[in-house]
Amino acid sequence: DAGVIQSPRHEVTEMGQEVTLRCKPISGHDYLFWYRQTMMRGLELLIYFNNNVPIDDSGMPEDRFSAKMPNASFSTLKIQPSEPRDSAVYFCASSSELAGAGNEQFFGPGTRLTVL
Amino acid sequence: ILNVEQSPQSLHVQEGDSTNFTCSFPSSNFYALHWYRWETAKSPEALFVMTLNGDEKKKGRISATLNTKEGYSYLYIKGSQPEDSATYLCAFDDYKLSFGAGTTVTVRA
Repeated sequence: DAGVIQSPRHEVTEMGQEVTLRCKPISGHDYLFWYRQTMMRGLELLIYFNNNVPIDDSGMPEDRFSAKMPNASFSTLKIQPSEPRDSAVYFCASSSELAGAGNEQFFGPGTRLTVL
Repeated sequence: ILNVEQSPQSLHVQEGDSTNFTCSFPSSNFYALHWYRWETAKSPEALFVMTLNGDEKKKGRISATLNTKEGYSYLYIKGSQPEDSATYLCAFDDYKLSFGAGTTVTVRA
């Protein structure tokens, strides 16, 4: 099993540009999560999907952020326009069941985003 | 935003010594408590998922205990080795994971 796959691993862009982060969950996992890791706020949940449907996007910071999951094997997190404060590591994770009652999430390697 | 706190923020351990650190979390609406191990430039990796008060889990030299009534969990590392150096994250699970800031462990040879 290849695990959760994310691309790109590193992204450097200029303020105002559109950024698209990609994630391929583990095959058979029905839940997909997007997290952001910053020094100030630690690891925080942005949004999660169940069977390709967004369930909870309360962690999405603002309208500049959007996420889609067009099929069971692919999700994107888009930032448009990007700002320097968006610089962070963005993780994607997947699980076979919703966390709770002992179901672990499997994390991808993350995308380190730098917005200049 | 749930208050999940980990202490200490960092600690240094001599190789061979044992150590432990704490995760505190709300004692209401508890479903599970997760521990993750996160090495620099790698993905967080699940260590334990704990669901029952009084639960104790063990993986090699690492173990964890859980007290849901008072809202804390301890992680123990016995006989620390340099490869144990990592950030250890706990996450409170009320059907979403709320992570603590982590305890960064550095084991000195």
